[in-house]
Amino acid sequence: DGGITQSPKYLFRKEGQNVTLSCEQNLNHDAMYWYRQDPGQGLRLIYYSQIVNDFQKGDIAEGYSVSREKKESFPLTVTSAQKNPTAFYLCASSNLADFQETQYFGPGTRLLVL
Amino acid sequence: AQSVSQHNHHVILSEAASLELGCNYSYGGTVNLFWYVQYPGQHLQLLLKYFSGDPLVKGIKGFEAEFIKSKFSFNLRKPSVQWSDTAEYFCAGGVGGDTGRRALTFGSGTRLQVQP
Repeated sequence: DGGITQSPKYLFRKEGQNVTLSCEQNLNHDAMYWYRQDPGQGLRLIYYSQIVNDFQKGDIAEGYSVSREKKESFPLTVTSAQKNPTAFYLCASSNLADFQETQYFGPGTRLLVL
Repeated sequence: AQSVSQHNHHVILSEAASLELGCNYSYGGTVNLFWYVQYPGQHLQLLLKYFSGDPLVKGIKGFEAEFIKSKFSFNLRKPSVQWSDTAEYFCAGGVGGDTGRRALTFGSGTRLQVQP
């Protein structure tokens, strides 16, 4: 069963703590993306990666970091520098050979600050 | 800069009413346009997409959208909504072709509530 998995479903962060959100895909897609969803603001791009060992900042990268050591994995770390981390985080992937750019989304992780 | 605007933030309709959700984009050059839907508690999923060709595109569950280049619009329509269409709808755009940023730019979303 192909798809994108994100874990955990809920994550709680304490002040000053770094937390890592997992995203794995078995669709053999080249590109992976992280979005942040806030009520009334839609989805905003945090980071994206089009190839292993390479990634680019999106529109709201401050306070976040990523790595892309394997094609199927694109973990996102929310650092203590992110002052307003409470949000719903969505991971997506796409096949770069598909010029129609269809992105497939995971179920999301909701991050809450204690 | 690329941007996508959705002007209807919250729409309430009765079952069997017709639906039109607005989406405007600002892009130079070739653009790919999408409508995604997020049902309560479910993944964001693709409703339909426009890449090229016929400007009227049909998607799943009876939805369609029309690409009007002169108006920079890609409005979503459905002739008769059902209670099960209650969801949040997102318009998104991406740069077509093999250049630059391949990620999508999303609108702020429209929450549709269909009353039985």
